[in-house]
Amino acid sequence: ETVLTQSPGTLSLSPGERATLSCRASQSVRSIYVAWYQQKPGQAPRLLIYGASGRATGIPDRFSGSGSGTDFTLTINRLEPEDFAVYYCHQYGSSPTFGQGTKVEIK
Amino acid sequence: QVQLVESGGGVVQPGRSLRLSCAASGFTFNMYDMQWVRQAPGKGLQWLTSISHDGNNKDYAESVRGRFTISRDNSIQTLYLQISSLTNEDTAVYYCARDGGVHVAGAIDYWGQGTLVTVSS
Repeated sequence: ETVLTQSPGTLSLSPGERATLSCRASQSVRSIYVAWYQQKPGQAPRLLIYGASGRATGIPDRFSGSGSGTDFTLTINRLEPEDFAVYYCHQYGSSPTFGQGTKVEIK
Repeated sequence: QVQLVESGGGVVQPGRSLRLSCAASGFTFNMYDMQWVRQAPGKGLQWLTSISHDGNNKDYAESVRGRFTISRDNSIQTLYLQISSLTNEDTAVYYCARDGGVHVAGAIDYWGQGTLVTVSS
């Protein structure tokens, strides 16, 4: 099983700042099979990024994904109030797994 | 629009079995692979199982293999998850999810709102 470790656990930032979220895999993952999701309290997750860097339909361009091999990053430029949430990385190449999540909270 | 509506959750005693359902609408169900993901209270997401569009191929997380069974009925656009020998650790919100296919490189593009399963005596 590929373990995904997200860091930091919590990110305290102010609106307008940039958020950089990390996801490290225990073994190499094909980039095409890496996604990022946003989840707000009481809601289902929402797809943000697929294939490591592709933005899902309707996702603002302040969200971007990058990475390869074992290291992947989600960047949120100019945080908006609605961006404060929990973010999960996901690898779905084989035996899919999720990271434990990074909470982006208002500082 | 795409809708996934789970049902079948509730309070169940340890050791019992449960079947969850997910009614799909707004898309051609038999063209998409489907999945189940769960989330224990206050915890992260855990992938459980997937099934191919025609029901012929199934995959399970090692931790639930043998106790969870995924199935589907394309004639009524419904996905199922059968869970046996429930334990307290199975307490979670269970999400039905659609594999979005090639246009999102196989990522989950739609999720249901989830159904809560509470295992308690």
